[in-house]
This record gives sequence, C-alpha cells and structure tokens, in this order.
Amino acid sequence: AQKITQTQPGMFVQEKEAVTLDCTYDTSDQSYGLFWYKQPSSGEMIFLIYQGSYDEQNATEGRYSLNFQKARKSANLVISASQLGDSAMYFCAMREEHGGSQGNLIFGKGTKLSVKP
Amino acid sequence: DTEVTQTPKHLVMGMTNKKSLKCEQHMGHRAMYWYKQKAKKPPELMFVYSYEKLSINESVPSRFSPECPNSSLLNLHLHALQPEDSALYLCASSQPGRTSHDTQYFGPGTRLTVL
Repeated sequence: AQKITQTQPGMFVQEKEAVTLDCTYDTSDQSYGLFWYKQPSSGEMIFLIYQGSYDEQNATEGRYSLNFQKARKSANLVISASQLGDSAMYFCAMREEHGGSQGNLIFGKGTKLSVKP
Repeated sequence: DTEVTQTPKHLVMGMTNKKSLKCEQHMGHRAMYWYKQKAKKPPELMFVYSYEKLSINESVPSRFSPECPNSSLLNLHLHALQPEDSALYLCASSQPGRTSHDTQYFGPGTRLTVL
C-alpha cells in the first residue's frame, strides 16, 4: 500500500485564483512530519511547508497553507493567489519517527500544477 | 537562494568514464543524502550519511560510490555507468535530531546523461 497518495497527476488553475493539491498518507506512527516540496522544470526541490503530527494549528508560509486533517490522514496544500511562477511539480512527503522507513522521506508521485494567465 | 550547492549542473559521460558529483552545504547540517530522480518520478533515496558515516545504502550498485570527506561535503563517484543511470541526481542535507521533524533541504541537482 502506498504511504503517500497524491491523486491528481495534473491540475490547472487560473492566475490569481487559489488551488488545493491533495495528499493523503498512511502511517501507524504517532510521531511523523509532513512536507511539501515544489520542483520547477529546472529540477531543484524547494521546501515549501512542514506540518508536525502533534501540531494543532495548520501550518502557513506566505501564500502556502497546509490543511491538516489528522483523523482523515490528509495534508492538502493550499496555494492562494496563484502566480505563473507556481507552475511546477509538487511533491507531498512524510517522515516517520519509528516506522519502517528508518526516518527517510517517503514521497508521493507528485502533482503537476499549471497556472494559466 | 539554496544553501546546498551541487556541481556540475550537467554532465555527459561515456560508459567507461570515471566522474564525480559534488555537493556542499553551508547550514551546519550533519546528515547528507543522495537521491536519484528519473523523469516524472519522485526522488529515490540512494545513500545517507550521518555525522560523516554512511548510515544507509539503499542497495545501490557498486558503480556508484559515495564519499563524505567532512561535514559539509558529499561526493558521488561514478564509474562504468549504464545508460539507464541517466537521471537527475539530487543532494540534500538536514540536521539529525527528532527524525520526523527534520526538514531536508535540496540542492539544484546534476543532470547526468550516460552515452
């Protein structure tokens, strides 16, 4: 079974609108971290936002926010006021404190976001 | 600007060549990683160094040889590669500690083409 599931291979959004990228995860660990990365066509993986499993507030970083629903095991990324430069591949990832992944990052398959002018 | 740098940005090599990829971080991190990423796929972990010691080798073929000369440098030595090894190679670093909360920061990557 996949530990990180991103069900949207591709998404389109109009410039200046908000967009939500879905991510669900599967773990039996109580302590884990959830991460979102952006990868433009240039290749660099850019860290966007982090949510800890014990954090009660949803994480926010500028135009990025993480809609964390622990009971549903979802960690959706919300990008507000989309810009053309947001066009990229977005990866959701998880690290478990005690799971079999030895603390390594487990990536989803990614969502390719295209922002239309 | 990323604080993890990688050189070269692009590398083309023949199957009999020996080359090295270099990674440097200036964040004082004590864990460093090599990932391999094929087109339209997520990164795959290859090696992890923690406090300059190899802690994880994800069954990578011996034609890839990592080296960590000091806490800020990480090399990946390449020898007798195959065309299927063509990929983007990403380096990352993090601060070991509470594992699930450590953020990995990535470099810009090296695009490797094996002819």
